[in-house]
Amino acid sequence: RKEVEQDPGPFNVPEGATVAFNCTYSNSASQSFFWYRQDCRKEPKLLMSVYSSGNEDGRFTAQLNRASQYISLLIRDSKLSDSATYLCVVNLDRGSTLGRLYFGRGTQLTVWP
Amino acid sequence: EAQVTQNPRYLITVTGKKLTVTCSQNMNHEYMSWYRQDPGLGLRQIYYSMNVEVTDKGDVPEGYKVSRKEKRNFPLILESPSPNQTSLYFCASSADGRAYNEQFFGPGTRLTVL
Repeated sequence: RKEVEQDPGPFNVPEGATVAFNCTYSNSASQSFFWYRQDCRKEPKLLMSVYSSGNEDGRFTAQLNRASQYISLLIRDSKLSDSATYLCVVNLDRGSTLGRLYFGRGTQLTVWP
Repeated sequence: EAQVTQNPRYLITVTGKKLTVTCSQNMNHEYMSWYRQDPGLGLRQIYYSMNVEVTDKGDVPEGYKVSRKEKRNFPLILESPSPNQTSLYFCASSADGRAYNEQFFGPGTRLTVL
């Protein structure tokens, strides 16, 4: 079983749609969680960190459910520029350091006009 | 400009010929890390370093070596490359090793081992 699991998609949605991605992780002791975005053939870039209480950044909302060991990303009012692969990243080590990080395989999103 | 640089960006080599991929950051970051990305497998961590002279294995360290003699540089060494090390490699850095720090990635190195 992979430490971090994501639905690979692809998700194809029209502009303006709301889309949600989920990611599950295996280690209940995990301390930090992130969503990164990767455009085709480019380096990943941080989209947002995921905090216990959930957090929002504009059209993006991230949630953490420790009991069920999953994190989610909600994108509202999708834009063409949101087309990318979204990577779930989890620190699976006990403790408060970055340490070893595990990436999901990524969820591909295409927003069409 | 704050950045992570990798060299070379593209490399084609042959089995067994030692190579080094350099990674350098100009942000005075303490934490640095190497990843490989393969289709269907996603990004996997090879090695990471919390600071100078402190390195640890990631998920897939076999066949790789690293060193961290200076804060800014974190080279990845393949002593005897094999075809299964053909991949896209990313170096990343973070201000320090605190759990919620952002990682900044280099542009990637596409390696082909024949």
